[in-house]
Amino acid sequence: EVQVVESGGGLVQPGGSLRLSCAASGFTFSNYGMNWARQAPGKGLEWISHITSSSDTIYYADSVKGRFTISRDNAKNSLILQMNGLSAEDTAVYYCVTPLIGTTTYWGQGTLVTVSS
Amino acid sequence: EIVMTQSPATLSVSPGERATLSCRASQSVSNNFAWYQQRPGQAPRLLIYAASTRATGIPARFSGSGSGTEFTLTISSLQSEDFAIYYCQQYNNWPRTFGRGTKVEIK
Repeated sequence: EVQVVESGGGLVQPGGSLRLSCAASGFTFSNYGMNWARQAPGKGLEWISHITSSSDTIYYADSVKGRFTISRDNAKNSLILQMNGLSAEDTAVYYCVTPLIGTTTYWGQGTLVTVSS
Repeated sequence: EIVMTQSPATLSVSPGERATLSCRASQSVSNNFAWYQQRPGQAPRLLIYAASTRATGIPARFSGSGSGTEFTLTISSLQSEDFAIYYCQQYNNWPRTFGRGTKVEIK
């Protein structure tokens, strides 16, 4: 069974940093690009970053470019999002998202990041 | 960036009725297009990909159509579990972009 489980969310002060992790299982992680998406409270979905299977190509949404860094460890089936320079606008549930595997995509349950003083 | 515009913002439908949701892309995305459903407190669930292919486990009452810039999601006979928010997404270009969502509510 494919599973992705996010962790690392919490309360952080404006300007602070946080590191999110996603543990993947049930599929050959090293074969697939991976994504992060987020959803601010009561708002819609926002894709924020993608990393290819071998980490050779990375994309970011303009809203996080220069502040967030996506990375992965294929030996540990792990996806990471390092978030720096956080502001209130980054308050959201952050999701780890697979691409299409077979005939569906898989989303974790999300981890809540709250940026507040 | 490709802007995805969904309409209507809210759709009031009685159980058993048909619902039609629309999404327009600001430029062609070919058929690299998906629909997601999100129930309160849950992660999004993929309904349709490649504009018209149902994802794993999605009932046949959900159907998608369109290509290029105009897309439609049809729910043929609404069930109680279908009242939710629906998002469209293009995956033809970076950045990937979502529409703002259509809330399907009980009439």
